[in-house]
Amino acid sequence: SQQGEEDPQALSIQEGENATMNCSYKTSINNLQWYRQNSGRGLVHLILIRSNEREKHSGRLRVTLDTSKKSSSLLITASRAADTASYFCATYGAGSYQLTFGKGTKLSVIP
Amino acid sequence: NAGVMQNPRHLVRRRGQEARLRCSPMKGHSHVYWYRQLPEEGLKFMVYLQKENIIDESGMPKERFSAEFPKEGPSILRIQQVVRGDSAAYFCASSGGARSSYNEQFFGPGTRLTVL
Repeated sequence: SQQGEEDPQALSIQEGENATMNCSYKTSINNLQWYRQNSGRGLVHLILIRSNEREKHSGRLRVTLDTSKKSSSLLITASRAADTASYFCATYGAGSYQLTFGKGTKLSVIP
Repeated sequence: NAGVMQNPRHLVRRRGQEARLRCSPMKGHSHVYWYRQLPEEGLKFMVYLQKENIIDESGMPKERFSAEFPKEGPSILRIQQVVRGDSAAYFCASSGGARSSYNEQFFGPGTRLTVL
């Protein structure tokens, strides 16, 4: 079954605006991670939030985690054209080493 | 500080041929993971290896696919008698080592396999 599901599937915004992507998951987790993938490229690790954390910041990124709702959000503030990419959430289940990915949100930032 | 290396970056095979994909983990990492990404999809776990051991191959098709991580040299994902449905991007990740937490996997650039 699909563990991580991102929402929306696609998002188009103007440069300078904020972008918010959501992720829902089904089972209990140790942590949740967000990755970025530029078209045709590998994955870049953005941020990891542990199950006992509620919010985490890294530069223009802000991640929240609500374990009661089994959901997370990724906020990119003051977006740039270079932020155009697909964004994936990925989770580890408790005691697991397999990362389970959602299908991703395709973000387009228009200059 | 080289990251995870994969080669080749692009591989074209005809149906029935063999595909060999290589992955060199980050320096100091002893855990290797292979994932497959179909078009417009997220990554799906295939196999987890440590040096000379397959720890979990639950995500790997039972036939035609095999993986190894020898004591010396890169990890190899081998696909025999490829079919068109094997066309995908194959990503390798590694973890372990003094600078990373156990749970953080670092990904390589991927090998894009096209089966004609």
